[in-house]
Amino acid sequence: EAQVTQNPRYLITVTGKKLTVTCSQNMNHEYMSWYRQDPGLGLRQIYYSMNVEVTDKGDVPEGYKVSRKEKRNFPLILESPSPNQTSLYFCASSIQRGVGEQFFGPGTRLTVL
Amino acid sequence: DAKTTQPPSMDCAEGRAANLPCNHSTISGNEYVYWYRQIHSQGPQYIIHGLKNNETNEMASLIITEDRKSSTLILPHATLRDTAVYYCIVRVGKGSSNTGKLIFGQGTTLQVKP
Repeated sequence: EAQVTQNPRYLITVTGKKLTVTCSQNMNHEYMSWYRQDPGLGLRQIYYSMNVEVTDKGDVPEGYKVSRKEKRNFPLILESPSPNQTSLYFCASSIQRGVGEQFFGPGTRLTVL
Repeated sequence: DAKTTQPPSMDCAEGRAANLPCNHSTISGNEYVYWYRQIHSQGPQYIIHGLKNNETNEMASLIITEDRKSSTLILPHATLRDTAVYYCIVRVGKGSSNTGKLIFGQGTTLQVKP
């Protein structure tokens, strides 16, 4: 089954404790992206990647890092999480940037205390 | 900012067609109209997209006006499971200025009622 998976699905952590949210797709997609969703603000793009070893900032990259060492994986790293990063996070992928549909993962609900 | 305008909410009776309008009066010639939906807090789900012509797939139909300034998503036989927030999104296709992001506005909350 074609899908985007994220782990963990739920996470409660404390300020400053480094964490990684994994994202993996099995469709051989070149393009991958991370969004966060907050009430009243909609979905906002954090980072995106057009291919292996190619990443770039989206609209709200502060406090986040990403890497794209393999085509299928695009982890989101919070080096020192803060409460304002409490949010619902979605990973997405598509064949290429700007082409066709984007497939979204199930989401990761992160709470930073 | 989203380049689309949608009504904040709509109701539809189960089994009836749901017609969701979208206004995109500033759309450019190279921009596509996409529709996604989000059920509760699940990941957004692609429904359909089009450029000029009407499109139909197993989920829905997309009707785009001749001047392309508005469109309508049609769910032919709505079920309770179609209750969701529906987003109309305008975006360019491949291009150097395109980050690939989708700009989700506030969408339309569709409530399908028994």
